[in-house]
Amino acid sequence: QQKVQQSPESLSVPEGGMASFNCTSSDRNFQYFWWYRQHSGEGPKALMSIFSDGDKKEGRFTAHLNKASLHVSLHIRDSQPSDSALYFCAASSNAYKVIFGKGTHLHVLP
Amino acid sequence: DAGVTQTPRHEVAEKGQTIILKCEPVSGHNDLFWYRQTKIQGLELLSYFRSKSLMEDGGAFKDRFKAEMLNSSFSTLKIQPTEPKDSAVYLCASSLQGEDTQYFGPGTRLLVL
Repeated sequence: QQKVQQSPESLSVPEGGMASFNCTSSDRNFQYFWWYRQHSGEGPKALMSIFSDGDKKEGRFTAHLNKASLHVSLHIRDSQPSDSALYFCAASSNAYKVIFGKGTHLHVLP
Repeated sequence: DAGVTQTPRHEVAEKGQTIILKCEPVSGHNDLFWYRQTKIQGLELLSYFRSKSLMEDGGAFKDRFKAEMLNSSFSTLKIQPTEPKDSAVYLCASSLQGEDTQYFGPGTRLLVL
């Protein structure tokens, strides 16, 4: 079973809307979490890291971590067409082996 | 600062050929990773180096995949012999140290006929 599971697989939101992604891990040893974004034809690029319970906000992006429930989420407010991409959740327990989820495709409709 | 560089960007190989993919990590980074990306499996770790030492060789990928890091600024991934199922995007990433964010290259898209 995939250790990092993401939902939904695909998401469409109107321009200016809120996009929300969910990620659940099955390993209680995971301590470090990231969100990555990959545009078509490019490599993934880190958006945010979150290592402590609670919210972390960077511009239009807000991540939330609840280690007790092994759940991390990402919210993008005021979504733009340029936000259309594949979003990965990533987690690590031993500080080097990062496990990636399979990603959520975001389509922002103009 | 230059990011992670990968060459070639695209590769087409015949079944049974040997191909070598190249990666230059971000200068000063200690950790280097090779991944394979497919739509079905997502991102799969092939190899991991810390300060040029091989820490993980990807288990199931050991038999035909070999990654090397002869110096801190250059790594190669050799696939020998190639099979059609190897068609995928191969990504190289580096980080300062394990718990840091990984920086990915643009990837090499491999097609094996």
